[in-house]
Amino acid sequence: ETGVTQSPTHLIKTRGQQVTLRCSSQSGHNTVSWYQQALGQGPQFIFQYYREEENGRGNFPPRFSGLQFPNYSSELNVNALELDDSALYLCASSLGVDRGAKNIQYFGAGTRLSVL
Amino acid sequence: GNSVTQMEGPVTLSEEAFLTINCTYTATGYPSLFWYVQYPGEGLQLLLKATKADDKGSNKGFEATYRKETTSFHLEKGSVQVSDSAVYFCALSDPYSGGGADGLTFGKGTHLIIQP
Repeated sequence: ETGVTQSPTHLIKTRGQQVTLRCSSQSGHNTVSWYQQALGQGPQFIFQYYREEENGRGNFPPRFSGLQFPNYSSELNVNALELDDSALYLCASSLGVDRGAKNIQYFGAGTRLSVL
Repeated sequence: GNSVTQMEGPVTLSEEAFLTINCTYTATGYPSLFWYVQYPGEGLQLLLKATKADDKGSNKGFEATYRKETTSFHLEKGSVQVSDSAVYFCALSDPYSGGGADGLTFGKGTHLIIQP
């Protein structure tokens, strides 16, 4: 089975621009979660999509938005980029039948975003 | 809100030494607990998990026991190898509190360095 893949691997943008990051979930998984990992920090939960609908959100402003498609792949969009948005963005997929530990999340390698 | 606190790194050990990485948590509900490992340039990999009090998770020689009375989930390994060098993250999932999202709450990570 194929794992979680993210694109692009690296991206450089300037302040004020918009960016779209992409994630293909692991085969058979219907839930995608997005995380932001600043340098030297643990990942912070942005939001989760289950069967194409947002299923919960962390403490991130509305300029962070997402989509999930019928094939369960997902996009993370960030508008009006700020310098502090520079981070590694991680996507994780899971099979969202049950909550909690049964919903083991499998992570991609991430997209490194630099905002100048 | 939920939070996870890990011991600060880097932790430097010699090969075959005993490893302990401390992790304590704060949660409003009944969380599941995880240890993830991140190798350079890669995404996070699930190392082990525990879903309820007194559960012991184990994998690849690593163990951690869910201690509700001390709100802890310390990671241990009896004899570390150079290949164990990585960043280790303690995390919790508490989907039945707050917004109900199944996002993980991570600690800041502990960088482990094993010297030959």
